[in-house]
Amino acid sequence: EADIYQTPRYLVIGTGKKITLECSQTMGHDKMYWYQQDPGMELHLIHYSYGVNSTEKGDLSSESTVSRIRTEHFPLTLESARPSHTSQYLCASRGGSYGYTFGSGTRLTVV
Amino acid sequence: GDSVTQMEGPVTLSEEAFLTINCTYTATGYPSLFWYVQYPGEGLQLLLKATKADDKGSNKGFEATYRKETTSFHLEKGSVQVSDSAVYFCALIKGDGKLTFGQGTILTVHP
Repeated sequence: EADIYQTPRYLVIGTGKKITLECSQTMGHDKMYWYQQDPGMELHLIHYSYGVNSTEKGDLSSESTVSRIRTEHFPLTLESARPSHTSQYLCASRGGSYGYTFGSGTRLTVV
Repeated sequence: GDSVTQMEGPVTLSEEAFLTINCTYTATGYPSLFWYVQYPGEGLQLLLKATKADDKGSNKGFEATYRKETTSFHLEKGSVQVSDSAVYFCALIKGDGKLTFGQGTILTVHP
């Protein structure tokens, strides 16, 4: 049973629309992450958070933004979607020394 | 910066064949090393890990040994099954807690 939930699983949206990808975890983890997985499978860290009101940009520049108002919730927002944003987005949280837990991902297609 | 390199190209095997997926890394200090697996349409699951030199991680018949002298963490399985078909990612983590992934290797096992 998954302890980290991402919605929606699949999303097809038109160019210029604003979207929010949801990520919630029930484990009380302080650290949360967003990875973008391109069609070639590579995973790139785009945002992370070490706790409430803490957000940082990752290694890959992204036009998306994130917020962390509650420990369990780490949504990602695109103000104006473009075809170049088409990708799979994976959310993860981390507890303990090394334990990452990943959500099932949101596959976004911008047409 | 830190990086992980996996063998190029998809791997196609017959059931019960021996599997090796090569992984080498570049990092300062002493990272922890991981193999993650991604089944079709799913997020990432931790397959195995090793936290120091000469450690051997193992799970579900898969093994990998942390070789500091060759900066490698090759994944092996003696007899693959059709159900092992998935994408495999080698990764490392350092003190800042961020995972750095390799490019991923697609494994297809035929009956």
